[in-house]
Amino acid sequence: TQLLEQSPQFLSIQEGENLTVYCNSSSVFSSLQWYRQEPGEGPVLLVTVVTGGEVKKLKRLTFQFGDARKDSSLHITAAQPGDTGLYLCAGANAGTYKYIFGTGTRLKVLA
Amino acid sequence: NAGVTQTPKFRVLKTGQSMTLLCAQDMNHEYMYWYRQDPGMGLRLIHYSVGEGTTAKGEVPDGYNVSRLKKQNFLLGLESAAPSQTSVYFCASSYQGLGYGYTFGSGTRLTVV
Repeated sequence: TQLLEQSPQFLSIQEGENLTVYCNSSSVFSSLQWYRQEPGEGPVLLVTVVTGGEVKKLKRLTFQFGDARKDSSLHITAAQPGDTGLYLCAGANAGTYKYIFGTGTRLKVLA
Repeated sequence: NAGVTQTPKFRVLKTGQSMTLLCAQDMNHEYMYWYRQDPGMGLRLIHYSVGEGTTAKGEVPDGYNVSRLKKQNFLLGLESAAPSQTSVYFCASSYQGLGYGYTFGSGTRLTVV
C-alpha cells in the first residue's frame, strides 16, 4: 500500500508564527500537489511540483519537492488566522500510476 | 465561474433507501472522480471516469454505481444505503489525468440511519 504520511497531524499556533508541514513516502512520485480544505468545503489546489528539488512560492507559502521526489514540505511564514484549515498533499505514483492523498495536517492559527 | 457543482449539499437516508448524487462541471474536463472522506481514513476513491461514456472502479467501489452519459455530468448512485456509507462525498474533475491536480466540489454530507 502506497502511503503519503503527513506530519504533524495537528498543529495549533499563534498568529505571526512560522510553521512547516511535511509529506513523506517511500515511493517516487511523478508530481505532487498541495491542497487546503476549509470546513464544509472541498479541497482547493494550491500548487503542483514536478521536478526534484523544485521550490515554489505562493505569497507566504513555500513548497518544496524533495530531490528524490519522495517527499515534500510546505512552509508558512507569519501565519494568519485565514491559513486555518486541513492541508493535504497528494501525488501521482510514478510506478503504479495511482493518485494518492496524504493523511492530512489540521492547522489552527489563533489570533 | 461555477467549476464543480454537487447536489444535494446534505441528505439523510434510511437504511435500504436509494439515492443519486449529482456532479456537474463546466470546465470541459475529461476526467471526473468520486471520493468519500471519513475521519481517520482520508480521501478514498470510489469510482472515476476518463471520458464520456466510461467508468472505472476505484479503491472502495462496493455499494456504489456511477454513470457518465454526458461529459459534464458524473452521477453516483447508492442502490441500498447502509450506515457504513455515512460520509462526506466529493466530486472532482481534472483536464488531464494524473499529476495535474483536481478541482473539487463542495461536497455532499450523507447520513444513513
